[in-house]
Amino acid sequence: ETGVTQTPRHLVMGMTNKKSLKCEQHLGHNAMYWYKQSAKKPLELMFVYSLEERVENNSVPSRFSPECPNSSHLFLHLHTLQPEDSALYLCASSQSTDSYGYTFGSGTRLTVV
Amino acid sequence: GDSVTQMEGPVTLSEEAFLTINCTYTATGYPSLFWYVQYPGEGLQLLLKATKADDKGSNKGFEATYRKETTSFHLEKGSVQVSDSAVYFCALSDPGTGGSYIPTFGRGTSLIVHP
Repeated sequence: ETGVTQTPRHLVMGMTNKKSLKCEQHLGHNAMYWYKQSAKKPLELMFVYSLEERVENNSVPSRFSPECPNSSHLFLHLHTLQPEDSALYLCASSQSTDSYGYTFGSGTRLTVV
Repeated sequence: GDSVTQMEGPVTLSEEAFLTINCTYTATGYPSLFWYVQYPGEGLQLLLKATKADDKGSNKGFEATYRKETTSFHLEKGSVQVSDSAVYFCALSDPGTGGSYIPTFGRGTSLIVHP
């Protein structure tokens, strides 16, 4: 399988639940990213990983916890979310953080009830 | 800091109409400029790019010219199709002078094309 794959595609969770989003890339890229896409707002960069190390955390609440166990996989662990966290969460990868070519996954549509 | 401003949507057109989606930017250096497209239910895909002033990026009948004097990168297509219905994002990367390759995105402009 090629490209960036995100699972699940859709997720509904209660505010007390714990869930995880998964992102997988088989492009040989060394940088991976989490973005939040909300209606009528710019794409929000949440986290950046380079060679499995977190290099950027854009003031994201601690109820979002990323994990990058290897350069092909990226997770976003979710706990005690709020309804305003409902959004499309996009994963992306690039050869490195010093390159232009981004490949995005199709996203996970998250609804917090 | 760097920013990208796109025209508000949705833009609604009939098939074969001419399309323009405006994009202007603010940057401290000499950024590279991009248009991404997001089809329903999918992630963003790079549509075209331009890396220096007066460059024209083109792909799938879309084109945009990097205008440094007006800090603009407007997206155009001569004849749109129903299959072009999507959300279009303008973005810039400004790695020079201590900046970052990580793109700054606009809010996106929704395009709806009717048969």
